Amino acid sequence: DSGVTQTPKHLITATGQRVTLRCSPRSGDLSVYWYQQSLDQGLQFLIQYYNGEERAKGNILERFSAQQFPDLHSELNLSSLELGDSALYFCASSVGLEDDQPQHFGDGTRLSIL
Amino acid sequence: AQKITQTQPGMFVQEKEAVTLDCTYDTSDPSYGLFWYKQPSSGEMIFLIYQGSYDQQNATEGRYSLNFQKARKSANLVISASQLGDSAMYFCAMRERFNNAGKSTFGDGTTLTVKP
Repeated sequence: DSGVTQTPKHLITATGQRVTLRCSPRSGDLSVYWYQQSLDQGLQFLIQYYNGEERAKGNILERFSAQQFPDLHSELNLSSLELGDSALYFCASSVGLEDDQPQHFGDGTRLSIL
Repeated sequence: AQKITQTQPGMFVQEKEAVTLDCTYDTSDPSYGLFWYKQPSSGEMIFLIYQGSYDQQNATEGRYSLNFQKARKSANLVISASQLGDSAMYFCAMRERFNNAGKSTFGDGTTLTVKP
């Protein structure tokens, strides 16, 4: 158990819809990261938050947005969903910003777009 | 340019033998960290081992060791005494301190199959 909690584990929805994925980091971790893992794109970094502030941005679509709340949990919002958004979405957390800190991953949310 | 390259899409190893999974990286940052993760078929990502760019010694964690060759920019994972439960996808990742600070770059992964 990594200590990172993601909900829901599975999500099935239709094109055009909007969903929210939730992540609770490990106790004491201030950084939260979101990743998308699909068969054709591999593991892609989406965005990072540190103590409530956006810290780094990767290949995140404009239809996607995220935030980190004062209690440090984070949400990833995906809107106007397309078939290609079907993927496994991971949240990870680390203590801070240092490059020597491993990221601990949640079990992921598997999103299926029908 | 690909920052992390894992050239072995799939590897096979006999149970109880050692196996090396290759990883090469590209960075101009003087300070960076290298990580290996394991992803079993159940999907979770498990942190295995870390190597810092300034570390003089190769990292070890139980049956996992990292063969770090800085001049060659390689960070190969060595798994000793393979077990059936080691069958999984393995990812090499890098975090740079100054360039792309905050982002982790992952390789495409290597699927390891341990044969009984």
